[in-house]
Amino acid sequence: AQSVTQPDIHITVSEGASLELRCNYSYGATPYLFWYVQSPGQGLQLLLKYFSGDTLVQGIKGFEAEFKRSQSSFNLRKPSVHWSDAAEYFCAVGATNNNDMRFGAGTRLTVKP
Amino acid sequence: EAGVAQSPRYKIIEKRQSVAFWCNPISGHATLYWYQQILGQGPKLLIQFQNNGVVDDSQLPKDRFSAERLKGVDSTLKIQPAKLEDSAVYLCASSLSPSGRYNEQFFGPGTRLTVL
Repeated sequence: AQSVTQPDIHITVSEGASLELRCNYSYGATPYLFWYVQSPGQGLQLLLKYFSGDTLVQGIKGFEAEFKRSQSSFNLRKPSVHWSDAAEYFCAVGATNNNDMRFGAGTRLTVKP
Repeated sequence: EAGVAQSPRYKIIEKRQSVAFWCNPISGHATLYWYQQILGQGPKLLIQFQNNGVVDDSQLPKDRFSAERLKGVDSTLKIQPAKLEDSAVYLCASSLSPSGRYNEQFFGPGTRLTVL
């Protein structure tokens, strides 16, 4: 079965600084990859997804992610973080045969003023 | 388009009591999922329905958890009896259909369960 590792449990960045959240996956075929954001007390909101094609994916709220097959990675980036970006971020990998999706443990982002 | 609806949003019970959660998926979505999200962890799939049939319940603790989707639309997840370790957020998601191609899952706001 597929799996996801998010190596960073907690990251703190200053407002206006750039951000990169790491995600590594394990799957035997070409994966479907997702980044979700979860604010306190809220459900999961999809930031972006990769199914095929261009390996650099643009999402909502100014986020982007790059699929690197050779590194089994799908890191999330944002050039300038806003205070409202403080939240929990989850990377997920979907199987191509059954819609099964597995989530990483999440990275909590704190934004300093 | 209305999103995935869940109720209640919050529930506090004592251990050994029973509890039920309700989910109404997006209209027309054939596939429905229940996830358990324990504090500090990512969501874990409990059960997946395709219409009113179970596709995957391999991670559902069947000695105490049950779920149904009788008419292929809304669904109920029940815990009986609850344990302290069941404290979590229970997320419901839906997608159009898993067959043929991958279908994006849309999540509801979740039900936060606290077992005392």
